[in-house]
Formats: sequence, C-alpha cells, structure tokens
Amino acid sequence: DTGVSQNPRHKITKRGQNVTFRCDPISEHNRLYWYRQTLGQGPEFLTYFQNEAQLEKSRLLSDRFSAERPKGSFSTLEIQRTEQGDSAMYLCASSLRTAGTGELFFGEGSRLTVL
Amino acid sequence: AQTVTQSQPEMSVQEAETVTLSCTYDTSESDYYLFWYKQPPSRQMILVIRQEAYKQQNATENRFSVNFQKAAKSFSLKISDSQLGDAAMYFCAYRSAVAGYALNFGKGTSLLVTP
Repeated sequence: DTGVSQNPRHKITKRGQNVTFRCDPISEHNRLYWYRQTLGQGPEFLTYFQNEAQLEKSRLLSDRFSAERPKGSFSTLEIQRTEQGDSAMYLCASSLRTAGTGELFFGEGSRLTVL
Repeated sequence: AQTVTQSQPEMSVQEAETVTLSCTYDTSESDYYLFWYKQPPSRQMILVIRQEAYKQQNATENRFSVNFQKAAKSFSLKISDSQLGDAAMYFCAYRSAVAGYALNFGKGTSLLVTP
C-alpha cells in the first residue's frame, strides 16, 4: 500500500493520559499536514511540515499538542493530558511541493476517544 | 480568516440524475484556490476537482464540474449521471495563494444516492 498510513486507527484513553499518533506519508511527498475533524464538521487545520520544518501552526494547536517530523519522513502528533474535548478524528495528509493546487492525499485517520 | 459555507447539510439524488452542491466563501483575497473533496463512509478523503481563482474557465473532471462565480464568491459542484458510488460527504475547501498552506473546509454536504 503506497498511500498515507496512520496508526493507530482508533485509540480510547482516559482523561489526563497522553496519546501519540503516527503518520507515514507517501514516500516522495515532502509536505505533511495534520487536521482534526469532529462529528458534523469539516476538517480543521492543525499544522504543516515541509520536510522536517514545521512551517505553520494553527491556534487550535494548544501547548498540550506537539507535532514532529524527524528527518522529514514520518510524523507524530502527541496530545498530553488529554481532555474530552480532544475526542475527534485526526487526519494526516501529504503532498508534493508543487505550486498552487497541489493535491493533498489523506490517510484514513486516527480516531481518538477520551473517556 | 476565510470562511467556507456549505448551506446544504444533506442532499439526495436518484441514480443517473444530476445534482448540484452549493458552496460559498468569504475572502478579501484575489488569488486563491478552491477544491471539492469527497469523503466516503469510513474511508479517506479524496480530491474530486480543483479550481484556480485566476482561471475563468470552469474546471471539469469527467462527470464532475464546477460553476465558479468569482464575484459572487460561489463555487458549486455539479455531479452528472450520479452513481451509487458517489454517495459520500462532500467538502468544499479554500486555500490562499499568498498566505499559508492550510485548507479551510466547509462543514460538508452528505449526498445520498438512491437507486
């Protein structure tokens, strides 16, 4: 499978615990994005990497959230001290560095449930 | 921040018929990109069609076409000869050409295709 891969697909945790999601982009893609999607809403942008550099962060990305992309390959999104409001689908997408309308390729998402 | 509005939470169409999904957006920018993404149930989001704001010609991809009205800030999606596989959530998205790489999504329209 050469698409965007996300793990785990589903995570159930208790409030206050830390969770980490991993995204493996399409191998030749140098851009990587994280989005959050709650029920009945469209995806909301969280952050963006070009290679290993985190170039853009949404104000939605509170200090409990941290994302990394070491060596410009896979990426991790960690949520510390989870809250019930963090329950959502976390989507990863990747793209090639092309001007303008570069197509984003999305993974199937990691669903977080905070009890 | 640019906002994207999809005023139709749900739409229904019969197989082989044509349906139009509405999208309006708010921006003060003159250069930007617009997209329609499809999200089938429990599957990843995929790009349906894209439009550069500087192009007057409406984009077309097989059975999918858009009606881009820049002055009215409207970007509707027309699906012709609807098929059962078209059933999904459809999201309209906006991306600035000058400020950042984030896609701003609407809340989506759920399309039901009936036999």
